[in-house]
Amino acid sequence: EIVLTQSPGTLSLSPGERATLSCSASQSSSFLAWYQQKPGQAPRLLIYNASTRATGIPDRFSGSGSGTDFTLTISRLEPEDSAVFYCQLYSSSQWTFGQGTKVEIK
Amino acid sequence: QLQLQESGSGLVKPSQTLSLTCAVSGGSISSAGYSWSWIRQPPGKGLEWIGYLYHTGSTYYNPSLKSRVTISVDRSKNQFSLMVTTVTAADTAVYYCARGRASYYYFDFWGQGTLVTVSS
Repeated sequence: EIVLTQSPGTLSLSPGERATLSCSASQSSSFLAWYQQKPGQAPRLLIYNASTRATGIPDRFSGSGSGTDFTLTISRLEPEDSAVFYCQLYSSSQWTFGQGTKVEIK
Repeated sequence: QLQLQESGSGLVKPSQTLSLTCAVSGGSISSAGYSWSWIRQPPGKGLEWIGYLYHTGSTYYNPSLKSRVTISVDRSKNQFSLMVTTVTAADTAVYYCARGRASYYYFDFWGQGTLVTVSS
């Protein structure tokens, strides 16, 4: 069973600041995706293959990492970025999600 | 534009069977290169992948739920379904259907989600 650990649990930052979210996997995989979920909404795909932005995603969102350690960076936070962010990894016909990082905008 | 819409019983009694359907529009469920998953989210908690149906008809399930879950397809209606047997309060969640991209293994389109409550 793959375990994904996200940190920190909550990030509280001001508009214009940089947010760095981490995702650590118990097994190596290159199939790592990031999603944004706002209250009452379905998750939205941001990043796939660890670093490829999905269609229509602003370039302030970027992903990096490989193997077991991955990072989502939001370069300049905007008020609408307030949400919970999940990483998701695929391996051997199984998908696993991290527990989420909540980003609060001050 | 692809759209997915969940429907089914919103209230299920403990020990009974939960049944949901995901209607797909704007694309074919039989198109090569895609899988069709069910994902759930208990209130205030994170996401849990339940299982998926590949365009060939093959199914794969989360080992933690495998004994109670069945995913099936109705190609004539362009929809797929989820059954979870012997439910308990722990199965209370928002249930999402989503399309997965084969070879890249991410979910690019999601339904809006439907809340299923297990309660007597």
